[in-house]
Amino acid sequence: GAGVSQTPSNKVTEKGKYVELRCDPISGHTALYWYRQSLGQGPEFLIYFQGTGAADDSGLPNDRFFAVRPEGSVSTLKIQRTERGDSAVYLCASSPVSSSYNEQFFGPGTRLTVL
Amino acid sequence: SQQGEEDPQALSIQEGENATMNCSYKTSINNLQWYRQNSGRGLVHLILIRSNEREKHSGRLRVTLDTSKKSSSLLITASRAADTASYFCATDAGGTSYGKLTFGQGTILTVHP
Repeated sequence: GAGVSQTPSNKVTEKGKYVELRCDPISGHTALYWYRQSLGQGPEFLIYFQGTGAADDSGLPNDRFFAVRPEGSVSTLKIQRTERGDSAVYLCASSPVSSSYNEQFFGPGTRLTVL
Repeated sequence: SQQGEEDPQALSIQEGENATMNCSYKTSINNLQWYRQNSGRGLVHLILIRSNEREKHSGRLRVTLDTSKKSSSLLITASRAADTASYFCATDAGGTSYGKLTFGQGTILTVHP
């Protein structure tokens, strides 16, 4: 079956612009996670959805970052007024249920470059 | 912020040798997971060990967990060139944070044919 997909795979934008990053989780997975990975670092948690609602958004760095999952499937991470420091790979993951004992299935990521 | 620290940061070995990577973390956990990331690709789950387990095996992988020392190790036996990748440990604190993974900085493993 299809894995987690993310679009676009690469996004180059200018400082101050708005960007949207999309994640299509594995069908039937109720939990969806966004992480951000900077070069040479491990992923850092941003936000987690259980169904349509954001169960934990404690990792979002500031109010320029926002994510939605309106129908409990596809999610969009939105970044306003992008800054050069936002450049990173944005990873999405999903799991069948929200549980501590489920592995997370990761997508290939979207590489965001802010010039 | 990263909770865990992994060492070594980089490890270079010959095919057939064993590779050991270590992970330390700071807060109590519900479980600890190891992931592999090939260059330019997403993370792949390798193994999960619960806080009440001390050792777990999966194929050529062996994971240990010492909650008193807040540390874990990943052993890959009889390594292959295809094992070349970055390896990350990730902790799940459980409770209200269940499912939210905190990753270490990773170990870059290079296996030479």
